[in-house]
Amino acid sequence: LAKTTQPISMDSYEGQEVNITCSHNNIATNDYITWYQQFPSQGPRFIIQGYKTKVTNEVASLFIPADRKSSTLSLPRVSLSDTAVYYCLVGDSDTGGFKTIFGAGTRLFVKA
Amino acid sequence: DSGVTQTPKHLITATGQRVTLRCSPRSGDLSVYWYQQSLDQGLQFLIQYYNGEERAKGNILERFSAQQFPDLHSELNLSSLELGDSALYFCASSVAQTGASGTDTQYFGPGTRLTVL
Repeated sequence: LAKTTQPISMDSYEGQEVNITCSHNNIATNDYITWYQQFPSQGPRFIIQGYKTKVTNEVASLFIPADRKSSTLSLPRVSLSDTAVYYCLVGDSDTGGFKTIFGAGTRLFVKA
Repeated sequence: DSGVTQTPKHLITATGQRVTLRCSPRSGDLSVYWYQQSLDQGLQFLIQYYNGEERAKGNILERFSAQQFPDLHSELNLSSLELGDSALYFCASSVAQTGASGTDTQYFGPGTRLTVL
């Protein structure tokens, strides 16, 4: 049973805002939502994390609606270097949240 | 640099062999996670240790085993290797044991690329 669902891929142009939405219909009450970025042949890197409403840091914003069944990662003014795979992560409630399931991720390709 | 180190960076071996991958977590982190990533595939969670004890288990094959030592470094042992075991193996560490559900952030190492010929 997939815990998260994301688009497989997205294309964008430099300077545009990119929004990647993740569905997590079975998110547990105490689960946080975390997004990671991964470049080829490198380990994933933490981007942002939130529980509800909106969170913003220096690289991204995370929007979480009241029902928390989805979340949207927003990357403002992307550049070529933002080309990467983006993973949305929630806990695996079946195991008390401890098993980490990354899912397939969204492959973002930024064009000049 | 995440502060997580993995050795070796590359490993080439033959089918049927056994290898050991090593991971040193960030200073102060008590949890270690192991992941497998095959070519163009997502990250497959293998196993998590917290302060020396197994905390969570993913789809780890019986041919694979891991442990976390008192100094908190961890080793992943892969035996009876098959061609399909060729992959990038990542180790991650975090402070707590809550895995993906809490606010605990995982910091990933650079990975070990295993090639089985």
